[in-house]
Amino acid sequence: EVQLQQSGAELVRPGTSVKLSCKVSGDTIIAYYMHFVKQRPGQGLEWIGRIDPEDDSTKYAKKFKNKATLTADTSSNTAYLKLSSLTSEDTATYFCTTEGYPGMFAYWGQGTLVTVSS
Amino acid sequence: EIVLTQSPTTMAASPGEKVTITCRASSSVSYMHWFQQKSGTSPKPWIYDTSKLASGVPDRFSGSGSGTSYSLTISSMEAEDAATYYCLQRSSYPLTFGSGTKLEIK
Repeated sequence: EVQLQQSGAELVRPGTSVKLSCKVSGDTIIAYYMHFVKQRPGQGLEWIGRIDPEDDSTKYAKKFKNKATLTADTSSNTAYLKLSSLTSEDTATYFCTTEGYPGMFAYWGQGTLVTVSS
Repeated sequence: EIVLTQSPTTMAASPGEKVTITCRASSSVSYMHWFQQKSGTSPKPWIYDTSKLASGVPDRFSGSGSGTSYSLTISSMEAEDAATYYCLQRSSYPLTFGSGTKLEIK
């Protein structure tokens, strides 16, 4: 059974950066494109971007191009999302999810809550 | 960017009632995917490729559509179906979600 385990909640200061992790178990990460999705409190889902762990190629939504950086480590089967220059607008739960078998976004992590506050 | 417009935004249905949620795309897409999310949990895949039910999804759910108009239908509403449903297009980058439909039980 494929599982995605995300890192724990973060309380961070405005203007700083944070790096979130998403570890894949039950399969190799290179079998999937890894995507990250943002959900602000009480709001809908917003696609951030995706990485192909096999070649590190990435795609981002325009509004996240200077905000988010996706990386992957095949040796640890883990994908990462780094968020920079944090503001209150970045306070949200961030999910990782997979593209590959058995279908689009078949597996999801439990989400990481990032709270930006001074 | 392809904008997905879901309707209605919120609705309440009685047990046994038929429910239809619509997702309209600003440009033609090849397929539509649907997700169910309950409060405080991760989204779950619900319908793949317009009409394929994800594993474990009851067969009272169905999906249909083509081009710019897609729908998710529940043939007979049950209490456990109360949730927020999102559509997603992956036909072109950036991937985009609909704004969600909150479905409540009467």
